[in-house]
Amino acid sequence: GENVEQHPSTLSVQEGDSAVIKCTYSDSASNYFPWYKQELGKRPQLIIDIRSNVGEKKDQRIAVTLNKTAKHFSLHITETQPEDSAVYFCAARGGFKTIFGAGTRLFVKA
Amino acid sequence: SAVISQKPSRDICQRGTSLTIQCQVDSQVTMMFWYRQQPGQSLTLIATANQGSEATYESGFVIDKFPISRPNLTFSTLTVSNMSPEDSSIYLCSVEVPEQFFGPGTRLTVL
Repeated sequence: GENVEQHPSTLSVQEGDSAVIKCTYSDSASNYFPWYKQELGKRPQLIIDIRSNVGEKKDQRIAVTLNKTAKHFSLHITETQPEDSAVYFCAARGGFKTIFGAGTRLFVKA
Repeated sequence: SAVISQKPSRDICQRGTSLTIQCQVDSQVTMMFWYRQQPGQSLTLIATANQGSEATYESGFVIDKFPISRPNLTFSTLTVSNMSPEDSSIYLCSVEVPEQFFGPGTRLTVL
């Protein structure tokens, strides 16, 4: 069945450094790849997304890249801040179904 | 975007009882999705609810355990039936407009 793998499960960085989270997907029909940030006790919030006809997208300190041939996509956060600390989920959607990765717990140390 | 509300926000229930969770959206949507998020885990799709038809359940989830209603285009309910401690989780409803947004979740604890 469809699967999304996400790495690493935990990531600790120093404030100001960059953080990179990587995901791979199995369903070649996937065409939409959102990223969610979930703070403790809160709902997942969409932070950025990318569609299959685009290789890269950037929004201020956040960027996402997509390699359809290799079926992997990545989230890049630059100049990390303590408030970036949260769990991040990648996801892949083909048709009406969205499959989520296992999540990455990001710690940004001040 | 969409504004999604859920009731109750949390509940503590006894084993063997049932709980119905309500989800309200501020706009009409074709599909509503119900997810489960167990402590420290990712989001797992339970079922997709379309107005006027039976919900479509994912592998591992069955209608007898998680009956769903979808009476109109802005509302849905999920019932967790005959609960056991293993059902303790956060249940979230979600819509795609077209990006996917989540409700605030219902934190369920089963004793």
